[in-house]
Amino acid sequence: GAVVSQHPSWVICKSGTSVKIECRSLDFQATTMFWYRQFPKQSLMLMATSNEGSKATYEQGVEKDKFLINHASLTLSTLTVTSAHPEDSSFYICSGDRDRKETQYFGPGTRLLVL
Amino acid sequence: AQSVTQLDSHVSVSEGTPVLLRCNYSSSYSPSLFWYVQHPNKGLQLLLKYTSAATLVKGINGFEAEFKKSETSFHLTKPSAHMSDAAEYFCVVSNTDKLIFGTGTRLQVFP
Repeated sequence: GAVVSQHPSWVICKSGTSVKIECRSLDFQATTMFWYRQFPKQSLMLMATSNEGSKATYEQGVEKDKFLINHASLTLSTLTVTSAHPEDSSFYICSGDRDRKETQYFGPGTRLLVL
Repeated sequence: AQSVTQLDSHVSVSEGTPVLLRCNYSSSYSPSLFWYVQHPNKGLQLLLKYTSAATLVKGINGFEAEFKKSETSFHLTKPSAHMSDAAEYFCVVSNTDKLIFGTGTRLQVFP
């Protein structure tokens, strides 16, 4: 149990376009969902935390107007990278937790390449 | 503020030999600590979790970790490495509702 999926698994886009990444909890309801960014050979950095039906809380240094997060239901959160630029190329990973029990369940990640 | 330090960026072992991945933590109160594993092109998988119960925590795939408050350590061990253990391992501390990740240790297993 506690499976999280992400779609797409990888995406290539042109600079200036917007990209939407979906994160779904398949067999549980995620009270909270998290979005992370991972650069090559580096650790995961938390970008934002979102609770269903409310605005996301962004970490310091993360532009909320650039990385739009929507958490419309307990099983779906989306991250939209607006006006993407090459420096936004990265591995984006989402996770969800159940009932605020601290344990997070991670999706397989989405690799974004902006040309 | 909570933080974790993974002391080795790379660890190489031979198949069948013990594995030791080191992690030190910093926390102003009793922390919750985790080890996650990341295989290529797969999501992070929880290996084990410490939450102030038994100091020796057993996880999946034969891994275990011991919480040592006096040493502020939470090292991950396995008695005998398997080729399938080759992956990136992250030591993680919980800060209320957020997870703080260490920089990761890449484990290589040679036949």
